Order: sequence, then structure tokens, then C-alpha cells
Amino acid sequence: DIQMTQSPSSLSASVGDRITITCQASQDINNYLNWYQQKPGKAPKLLIYDASNLETGVPSRFSGSGSGTDFTFTISSLQPEDIATYYCQQYDYLPLLTFGGGTKVEIK
Amino acid sequence: QVQLQESGPGLVKPSQTLSLTCTVSGGSISTGSYYWSWIRQPAGKGLEWIGRIHASGSPDYNPSLKSRLTISVDTSKNQFSLRLSSVTAADTAVYYCARVLGGAALDYWGQGTLVTVSS
Repeated sequence: DIQMTQSPSSLSASVGDRITITCQASQDINNYLNWYQQKPGKAPKLLIYDASNLETGVPSRFSGSGSGTDFTFTISSLQPEDIATYYCQQYDYLPLLTFGGGTKVEIK
Repeated sequence: QVQLQESGPGLVKPSQTLSLTCTVSGGSISTGSYYWSWIRQPAGKGLEWIGRIHASGSPDYNPSLKSRLTISVDTSKNQFSLRLSSVTAADTAVYYCARVLGGAALDYWGQGTLVTVSS
């Protein structure tokens, strides 16, 4: 089974900071990776698909990169409304979709 | 704008069957190449993909749940459903339904419904 490992599991940063989350796949998944944002009590929201493509309407401060087994999600300037848990998700082994464990982002 | 809404009992007894329905509005469940999926999330934990179905195809299941799982679609009602048998406390979670774009990205989600397994 493919495993998706996110790090860190949580982070605390100041408004305006640049933050980076990593997601590592246990096997090569090409660029078949999506990123989601989940605010407390809400459903996840798709932010980035195919590793680096911004979903329509998502602010440009969010970005993603990577391919193969190592991926990065970045918020270039953290805003108060970005407080959430972020998940990566692979789809190279369809139909099975596998999520990372999540990264909780808090404001310092 | 596509909207999804989960419905079903919030409390299920151990060993019984959990049944949920997802009603799709703002578009036909039969349109395009979309799949329709179920995902769950235990309290304070991460997301687990349960399975998916296409309006015209057979369902696909998470191997870890396959023996207990049935996903079906009713195109006349624009709904798809989940049945999970022989539930235990480990099946307590918020259950989400979602649209799957290109078989890969979950682009529209329901608000989620909490199902508790308890006697």
C-alpha cells in the first residue's frame, strides 16, 4: 500500500510568514498529488491539483511543487484566514485515493 | 453550482448497518466523467477514502472496507448511497460525500454528517 507522510504535523507561524509543508510518498506517484485545506468543522476544500495547479478562485499565495515522491505546499504570506489543517492526497494508484496525515497550521 | 448533501441516521448500533445517502443538486449525477465518492474522518483524525461510483459503472472500494461495503447510485433521484455492514465503534466518524473530478480530485464536498456507533 502506498503511504503519504506529511511533515510537520503542526506548525505555528506569524501573520505574513512563509510556511512550507512537505508530503512524501512511499512510491513514485509522478505529479499525481492534490492539496486540500480543512477549516474546523468544515469539509475539506481543494486548493491545488496535479501537484502545482491552483484551483480556480484560490489565492495566489498558495502554491505547490514536486514530483515523484517529494512534494511541497507553500503559503507565501500567512493570513489569519489560513488557519486550518492541510492534507495531501495521491491519485496515482486509482481508484484508491490516499491522504497524508495532515498538517495543522496555527497563528503564533 | 454543484451541491452535495449527506443524510441518514446519526446513531447506529454495533453490528448493524450504516446507511447514508448523498443528494446532488445543481447538476446531473449522470453528466460527464465524474465519479462520486465517500470519505470519512474520525474525530480529530485524518481523512479516509471509502469508495466511489460512476453513474454508469460499477463501484470501487477501499480494500480495507470492501467486505462490508456497498455503494450504489440512483440516477433518477440524483443520489448515491453508502451501506457499511457490521459496524463497530471504529466506524464512528464524520462521513462526507464528494464529487471526483477526473477520477482524482475531490472538488465538491458535502458538509459531512456525524455517524456514531454505540448501543
